Amino acid sequence: DAGVIQSPRHEVTEMGQEVTLRCKPISGHNSLFWYRQTMMRGLELLIYFNNNVPIDDSGMPEDRFSAKMPNASFSTLKIQPSEPRDSAVYFCASTRRDADTQYFGPGTRLTVL
Amino acid sequence: GESVGLHLPTLSVQEGDNSIINCAYSNSASDYFIWYKQESGKGPQFIIDIRSNMDKRQGQRVTVLLNKTVKHLSLQIAATQPGDSAVYFCAENSGGSNYKLTFGKGTLLTVNP
Repeated sequence: DAGVIQSPRHEVTEMGQEVTLRCKPISGHNSLFWYRQTMMRGLELLIYFNNNVPIDDSGMPEDRFSAKMPNASFSTLKIQPSEPRDSAVYFCASTRRDADTQYFGPGTRLTVL
Repeated sequence: GESVGLHLPTLSVQEGDNSIINCAYSNSASDYFIWYKQESGKGPQFIIDIRSNMDKRQGQRVTVLLNKTVKHLSLQIAATQPGDSAVYFCAENSGGSNYKLTFGKGTLLTVNP
């Protein structure tokens, strides 16, 4: 069974450009999480969806960040416009029920020049 | 705010030795704890979890111990192998949240052949 799938694995862009990260959760999982990982701040939860509905977006840094989940098998995280301080590894995770273990994808390494 | 703290970090062991990685948590209301392993360039991988109604749980070559009195969590790896080399994170369900995990900064385990 495939795990969480993320694309692209690496993204290099210039400041001011729009960036879209994609995630396909594990089939049958109904909760999806977007995280950001940096050396300074570790793993931070950005947003949490349950049954495709955003439940908690308090971790989204600012209005430049937005996330959608149009259906149970796809989610996007968009940054517009991107800034160098957005450089990080972005992970998507999914779980079957709210309290279950979260399973992480391989991550997208974003570099904003 | 309260957070999980790993006391930094680096543990170097010889192949075949047992490893112990420690974690202190500060939120006494947390009732679910997880250990993740993250290899270079990959997402966090679930290792083992434990709920607060237990003080010990064993998996294959791994044991998690929970001491609620002193708010301490540990991961023991038996007969450590080179493939165990990675960063290990503990996480707690942020004061009993049914979805929000707070992650520690991580401990780098290096296994010398």
